[in-house]
Amino acid sequence: IAGITQAPTSQILAAGRRMTLRCTQDMRHNAMYWYRQDLGLGLRLIHYSNTAGTTGKGEVPDGYSVSRANTDDFPLTLASAVPSQTSVYFCASSEGTRFDEQFFGPGTRLTVL
Amino acid sequence: RKEVEQDPGPFNVPEGATVAFNCTYSNSASQSFFWYRQDCRKEPKLLMSVYSSGNEDGRFTAQLNRASQYISLLIRDSKLSDSATYLCVVRSFQKLVFGTGTRLLVSP
Repeated sequence: IAGITQAPTSQILAAGRRMTLRCTQDMRHNAMYWYRQDLGLGLRLIHYSNTAGTTGKGEVPDGYSVSRANTDDFPLTLASAVPSQTSVYFCASSEGTRFDEQFFGPGTRLTVL
Repeated sequence: RKEVEQDPGPFNVPEGATVAFNCTYSNSASQSFFWYRQDCRKEPKLLMSVYSSGNEDGRFTAQLNRASQYISLLIRDSKLSDSATYLCVVRSFQKLVFGTGTRLLVSP
């Protein structure tokens, strides 16, 4: 059982390019989340999904979009990347509501030049 | 003021030592509290939830003080493998708020 997988592991991207970070979980968790982690700022929620077919905005949603077509997948898209989106991105999931224990994927290190 | 504040450390302790971290939170209506552990360049993992009455899991003890709005994590008999960053996490209304973490370094 893999838990949560993320791809790519790391990426260097030119500003203005479109990029999709992939996240897949095999635990049949209802809720999924995307966070970014920056030095000195801790983890910040970008978007979340309480169940397949629904999404919501977190603390820092601007410049990002998500979709939840099924239970397992929760991709995060940067429509036009900017250098301030350089960060480590973590996908997470939880069994029930967003208040349950969250399990994190290994992260994607993204550098936007 | 940040919603969740932690001393970034690092806390440098020898093996076998006892070390304690505190975390303060600003929202008095916060409902749930957790400690997560994050190893360097890895994902965070739940260490333990923090209950009102305090709780213990092996060498780890977590306590909550609602009156002073802080939670604590005590690690007894520190091991080299305890070296990591410890994240304080607070649930306030409909969101989880993560602290920036306290770094612990355990040396031989």
